[in-house]
Amino acid sequence: ETGVTQSPTHLIKTRGQQVTLRCSSQSGHNTVSWYQQALGQGPQFIFQYYREEENGRGNFPPRFSGLQFPNYSSELNVNALELDDSALYLCASSGGQGLQETQYFGPGTRLLVL
Amino acid sequence: QKEVEQDPGPLSVPEGAIVSLNCTYSNSAFQYFMWYRQYSRKGPELLMYTYSSGNKEDGRFTAQVDKSSKYISLFIRDSQPSDSATYLCAMTQGAQKLVFGQGTRLTINP
Repeated sequence: ETGVTQSPTHLIKTRGQQVTLRCSSQSGHNTVSWYQQALGQGPQFIFQYYREEENGRGNFPPRFSGLQFPNYSSELNVNALELDDSALYLCASSGGQGLQETQYFGPGTRLLVL
Repeated sequence: QKEVEQDPGPLSVPEGAIVSLNCTYSNSAFQYFMWYRQYSRKGPELLMYTYSSGNKEDGRFTAQVDKSSKYISLFIRDSQPSDSATYLCAMTQGAQKLVFGQGTRLTINP
């Protein structure tokens, strides 16, 4: 069984640029959630995608957007990057057989905005 | 007030000690409770999952939930240096967002 994978592992951008982060969900999972984890903090929910539709959103501005593809992989796009966007971005998949509420995380993409 | 409060530590104990990690929460709608372990520069790894008040044991780990007090705990017995990590409590009303605590940074000293 393949786990959750994310790319790239690290990224450096400058303020005002745009970034796209990618996630492949665990085999058999149809739901992808994205989280932002600032240094020394717990992850904060950005949004969730279920069968290519947004299925819940946290307290993040519209410049954070996403997509889910037919194979359940997903992208997180952030426009007009700000310094405070520097964080670890985590993707989690869920929705396979068994406990629907259980989310399994990828290794994350570490974004630095200069 | 944050929905989930967790003492960030850091917590440092000798090898073999019993470790107690705790979270409190304010939202009585939370039904599912999890503990994740996160090693440095890695993603969180699911350790324990519970959905009812009481204790759940898995090897050296015991998760405890007290819904009446809105309080959850994770106990680690016979702690090992490999248990050194940040421990995150998380909870959810259903299949959508997880709400996390701040995380407790734990160091087990040989």
